[in-house]
Amino acid sequence: AQSVAQPEDQVNVAEGNPLTVKCTYSVSGNPYLFWYVQYPNRGLQFLLKYITGDNLVKGSYGFEAEFNKSQTSFHLKKPSALVSDSALYFCAVTGWDNRLAFGKGNQVVVIP
Amino acid sequence: GAGVSQSPSNKVTEKGKDVELRCDPISGHTALYWYRQSLGQGLEFLIYFQGNSAPDKSGLPSDRFSAERTGGSVSTLTIQRTQQEDSAVYLCASSLSLQGTYGYTFGSGTRLTVV
Repeated sequence: AQSVAQPEDQVNVAEGNPLTVKCTYSVSGNPYLFWYVQYPNRGLQFLLKYITGDNLVKGSYGFEAEFNKSQTSFHLKKPSALVSDSALYFCAVTGWDNRLAFGKGNQVVVIP
Repeated sequence: GAGVSQSPSNKVTEKGKDVELRCDPISGHTALYWYRQSLGQGLEFLIYFQGNSAPDKSGLPSDRFSAERTGGSVSTLTIQRTQQEDSAVYLCASSLSLQGTYGYTFGSGTRLTVV
């Protein structure tokens, strides 16, 4: 079965600095990869997805992610973090069994 | 509707009681998923539907959990004889297709508290 690893529990970054949230995946066949963000007491909001095509995917709120097949990674990035980006971020992958498997999530804290 | 609607948004129940959680997906979305998010944990897959059929029920944590979907639309997740460890946020998502070619849209969830 497919799986996702988000190795860091929390990512702290100063406002205005680049933000990176790491994700590696394991899946049989071609991966469909996703990033979601969750604000307190809210559902998951879609940020971006990779299905096929360009390895660099641009999404909502200035976020982007790069698909790296050789490293089985799909790191989320933002060039300049905002305080409002503080939230819980989830990476997810779909495989042949149609299950969308999530990582455990990363808490991002942007420090003013 | 415009989004995935879940009801109730909050549910407090006594241990041993049965509860029903409802998910109303986006109109036309054939795929529907249920997840559980426990405090400080990631999302645990429970079950998915393609139309009214649930090909994979292996994510349901025990036989106290069941789910159904009727008319290819509304789905109900039922938990019988609730236990305190069932306390969590239950999230529903829908999609135009399996595998998420068109992405998945999540509801705001039902926060279940078993006391």
